[in-house]
Amino acid sequence: ETGVTQSPTHLIKTRGQQVTLRCSSQSGHNTVSWYQQALGQGPQFIFQYYREEENGRGNFPPRFSGLQFPNYSSELNVNALELDDSALYLCASSKPGQGEHEQYFGPGTRLTVT
Amino acid sequence: AQSVTQLGSHVSVSEGALVLLRCNYSSSVPPYLFWYVQYPNQGLQLLLKYTSAATLVKGINGFEAEFKKSETSFHLTKPSAHMSDAAEYFCAVSGGSYIPTFGRGTSLIVHP
Repeated sequence: ETGVTQSPTHLIKTRGQQVTLRCSSQSGHNTVSWYQQALGQGPQFIFQYYREEENGRGNFPPRFSGLQFPNYSSELNVNALELDDSALYLCASSKPGQGEHEQYFGPGTRLTVT
Repeated sequence: AQSVTQLGSHVSVSEGALVLLRCNYSSSVPPYLFWYVQYPNQGLQLLLKYTSAATLVKGINGFEAEFKKSETSFHLTKPSAHMSDAAEYFCAVSGGSYIPTFGRGTSLIVHP
């Protein structure tokens, strides 16, 4: 069984640029959630995708957007990067109805905005 | 609405000593509760979960947690700390949605 994978591992961008982060969900999981974890903080929910549709969104501005593909992989796009966007971005997959809300996390992408 | 409070941003113990990490939650519906561990530069790994079955939950690596509804608590314990337990620990709660809310985390420091 393949776990959740994310790419790239690390990324450095300049303020104002755009970035795309990628996630492959665990085999059999049709739901992907994205989280932002700032240094010294817990993960903050950005949004969730279920069967290619956004299925919930946290308190993040519209410049944070996402996609889910037919194979359930996902992308997180962030436009007009700000310094405060520097964080670890975590992807988690799950399958509602199994595992009682349990989510499986990838290793994360460390984004640094300069 | 749901929230999690983890008491103590840092907990320091000696190797072999009892580990106690505190978590209090708030949820408007019967909660699902989780403890995750995060090692440096890694994602989150599930330690254990409470899903309305037994109130004492056993997880991996010798950790366990007890759900106490009257105290709205879900504290994490381990009888004897090991150096390899040093990591960041997160408590999380989820309710009607499948979206967990995480606490701010507790850093466990283990001294030899």
